[in-house]
Amino acid sequence: DQQVKQNSPSLSVQEGRISILNCDYTNSMFDYFLWYKKYPAEGPTFLISISSIKDKNEDGRFTVFLNKSAKHLSLHIVPSQPGDSAVYFCAFNFGNEKLTFGTGTRLTIIP
Amino acid sequence: KAGVTQTPRYLIKTRGQQVTLSCSPISGHRSVSWYQQTPGQGLQFLFEYFSETQRNKGNFPGRFSGRQFSNSRSEMNVSTLELGDSALYLCASNYEGGNSPLHFGNGTRLTVT
Repeated sequence: DQQVKQNSPSLSVQEGRISILNCDYTNSMFDYFLWYKKYPAEGPTFLISISSIKDKNEDGRFTVFLNKSAKHLSLHIVPSQPGDSAVYFCAFNFGNEKLTFGTGTRLTIIP
Repeated sequence: KAGVTQTPRYLIKTRGQQVTLSCSPISGHRSVSWYQQTPGQGLQFLFEYFSETQRNKGNFPGRFSGRQFSNSRSEMNVSTLELGDSALYLCASNYEGGNSPLHFGNGTRLTVT
């Protein structure tokens, strides 16, 4: 039972344009949503999060949107930079220490 | 402040053997979690320890076990290794669990032949 789906395994975006990464979930008990970024040979690093009481959170070039009725989470990166090339994972939890991760989307920024 | 440290970085074992992986959390962090990453499966939660007690457990067989010491360092053990156990094992820590973001180590790449 896959509770979290990242339907795009890969995405290529021109430098300077907007990158949009998407995640769908099925468990309505999730109340905290996060995005992690992973470079090869390194562990994931935390990027941005949002709680279920909000629908948008911004941090610099990164904005996370939450649509609870559609059970959809997205990450916008604008403008995209070459250093943003990495694998991005969405992650969810509901108040405990167990995070449920998506399968990841490999983002490639084309110079 | 030093990050999460995992040792060893790489490990090759044969089927049927057992293996122990080590994790030193960020100083002051008391919660340590373990995840398994395999291609196409994302990160799968193994277990979480806090103050030497396992608080949460994922859906892995009993061959996977762990422990946490009084200094918050943690080890995980996999017994009777199978080919399917080949994966990147990631350790993460945070101050006390809950919703605070996890800080991950660089992982231990285990290959079972």
